[in-house]
Amino acid sequence: GQQVMQIPQYQHVQEGEDFTTYCNSSTTLSNIQWYKQRPGGHPVFLIQLVKSGEVKKQKRLTFQFGEAKKNSSLHITATQTTDVGTYFCAPNAGNMLTFGGGTRLMVKP
Amino acid sequence: EAQVTQNPRYLITVTGKKLTVTCSQNMNHEYMSWYRQDPGLGLRQIYYSMNVEVTDKGDVPEGYKVSRKEKRNFPLILESPSPNQTSLYFCASSLQGALGYGYTFGSGTRLTVV
Repeated sequence: GQQVMQIPQYQHVQEGEDFTTYCNSSTTLSNIQWYKQRPGGHPVFLIQLVKSGEVKKQKRLTFQFGEAKKNSSLHITATQTTDVGTYFCAPNAGNMLTFGGGTRLMVKP
Repeated sequence: EAQVTQNPRYLITVTGKKLTVTCSQNMNHEYMSWYRQDPGLGLRQIYYSMNVEVTDKGDVPEGYKVSRKEKRNFPLILESPSPNQTSLYFCASSLQGALGYGYTFGSGTRLTVV
């Protein structure tokens, strides 16, 4: 499957601070999906990005797909304790969904 | 409720004793897939299936078998489990993987092989 690097691996933030995770690929991606996994839980689909330069928002979450379709980011505005978990990007190459290593977000109340 | 159901949730077994982890979805999804999740290694795909009787290897298929005799079921078979297969396993399904629908994951099966 397509390989992606996710950074950072871990992020501690104070509640109310913003958070961003980045997903980088050496090859052009056809599309990319984002998932959230709460501690002890299973991955849950958040969104898919397909178009170059695409930006999608879900409440406090903003997802971007780079112009060259080689990178993507997830930005959370004013984090809350409910945002705790690991966020994964996952290029979808049709039959194979390959996950990045994930960014584990910890939020201090 | 639309869901992917895996059983069992937890399993401790001994090396070499054949086991099957079941996976069933009630959403009429074509695509189903198995992943294992290990600390530091993330989620890695074991096998996937595009439809009934159509399966293919993912990134880490060694030591595993699958079958897709019915659309709703996609069991994962470990013929001779070994300790390096101790892991957290997830089954997932999607309406049509190639068109980029999101995957729905089961709750996971934590397997320990001693």
